[in-house]
Amino acid sequence: SQKIEQNSEALNIQEGKTATLTCNYTNYSPAYLQWYRQDPGRGPVFLLLIRENEKEKRKERLKVTFDTTLKQSLFHITASQPADSATYLCAPSLGYKLSFGAGTTVTVRA
Amino acid sequence: DTGVSQDPRHKITKRGQNVTFRCDPISEHNRLYWYRQTLGQGPEFLTYFQNEAQLEKSRLLSDRFSAERPKGSFSTLEIQRTEQGDSAMYLCASSSRVGRGNEQFFGPGTRLTVL
Repeated sequence: SQKIEQNSEALNIQEGKTATLTCNYTNYSPAYLQWYRQDPGRGPVFLLLIRENEKEKRKERLKVTFDTTLKQSLFHITASQPADSATYLCAPSLGYKLSFGAGTTVTVRA
Repeated sequence: DTGVSQDPRHKITKRGQNVTFRCDPISEHNRLYWYRQTLGQGPEFLTYFQNEAQLEKSRLLSDRFSAERPKGSFSTLEIQRTEQGDSAMYLCASSSRVGRGNEQFFGPGTRLTVL
């Protein structure tokens, strides 16, 4: 069955540093992979989508890579700010429905 | 605000009672999804509508769960004879055509507590 794993440990980093989150998946080949941000008590918010034929995508301070050979995506937040503190969810997906990892909680210290 | 809205935001009920949640998607979106999320986990897919047609139901959705989307606009999710294991956040999302990669817009969720 499909399995999606994200960093099991929460990530605590100093403001200004780069946070790197990992998403690994097994037993399927997603056509695309999405990253969402979720704040406590709120619904996820879409951040980035990368397709299987794309290696890297950037949006402002965010960068996502997608390695279909390793079955892995890396999500980077550069020049991190306390406002980046949240849980980040990856969703490697085949079609219309999303399959999410458990998320990685990031805390950025001022 | 033209985002996805859900009602109620919180629901506390006793075991065995029926509950119904409502989701109003973004008006031009024809696809609507329900997910369930428990503490420390990512959202799990429950069901999906394209317009008024329910196209897929997860095996997680027991016979006690039913969802509707009359006229392809708002949707309701009903849970009959609630159990304590139904306690979770129920999230609704909507999206437009699949070809754009299916970016989904989520509502704030309905938090259900079954006592």
